[in-house]
Amino acid sequence: AQSVTQLDSHVSVSEGTPVLLRCNYSSSYSPSLFWYVQHPNKGLQLLLKYTSAATLVKGINGFEAEFKKSETSFHLTKPSAHMSDAAEYFCVVSPGGFKTNFGEGTRLFVKA
Amino acid sequence: ETGVTQTPRHLVMGMTNKKSLKCEQHLGHNAMYWYKQSAKKPLELMFVYNFKEQTENNSVPSRFSPECPNSSHLFLHLHTLQPEDSALYLCASSQEWTGIYEQYFGPGTRLTVT
Repeated sequence: AQSVTQLDSHVSVSEGTPVLLRCNYSSSYSPSLFWYVQHPNKGLQLLLKYTSAATLVKGINGFEAEFKKSETSFHLTKPSAHMSDAAEYFCVVSPGGFKTNFGEGTRLFVKA
Repeated sequence: ETGVTQTPRHLVMGMTNKKSLKCEQHLGHNAMYWYKQSAKKPLELMFVYNFKEQTENNSVPSRFSPECPNSSHLFLHLHTLQPEDSALYLCASSQEWTGIYEQYFGPGTRLTVT
């Protein structure tokens, strides 16, 4: 079975400081991994995806994530937070096919 | 906009009502999904349709009845719901690229059951 664990339910940063949202996954073989963002009262938007190509994946809005097989992690980072980054972020693992397993989400707060 | 629209955006219904949620995708995808998003719970996959055929049904109660007349439209028919069914219902679509199913989500329908 494949699953993801988002290690923090809430993360609070100041505007202009780095963002780190942590995600660990469990998988019996090489998975596909995604990060999605959900702003209040909106649907989910894909930030980036890992599909066994480069281990460092760049996404939209300055976000990136690094796939570390040895640590079974896929943490999301951004060098400098912006107020508009305040949202909920979901780490997702897919074994292939139509099944996807979502993490419980991490809510990011950005302080002025 | 992601190319996936959902109507209505908000719905309040009594437990004896019958209503339907609609989803339409303009991306040319072949697969469509219904998810339930409840407070403090992970997204729950409800149904998946691929080329109009249902491929996943994650033990969803029969008071939820999906319909997929074509690859662009997906409905969720609701009847005799319970208050615990109040949630955000999200529709998504995807197109396989080398086995990777990257999903595009609609804005959701906020359902309140009274």
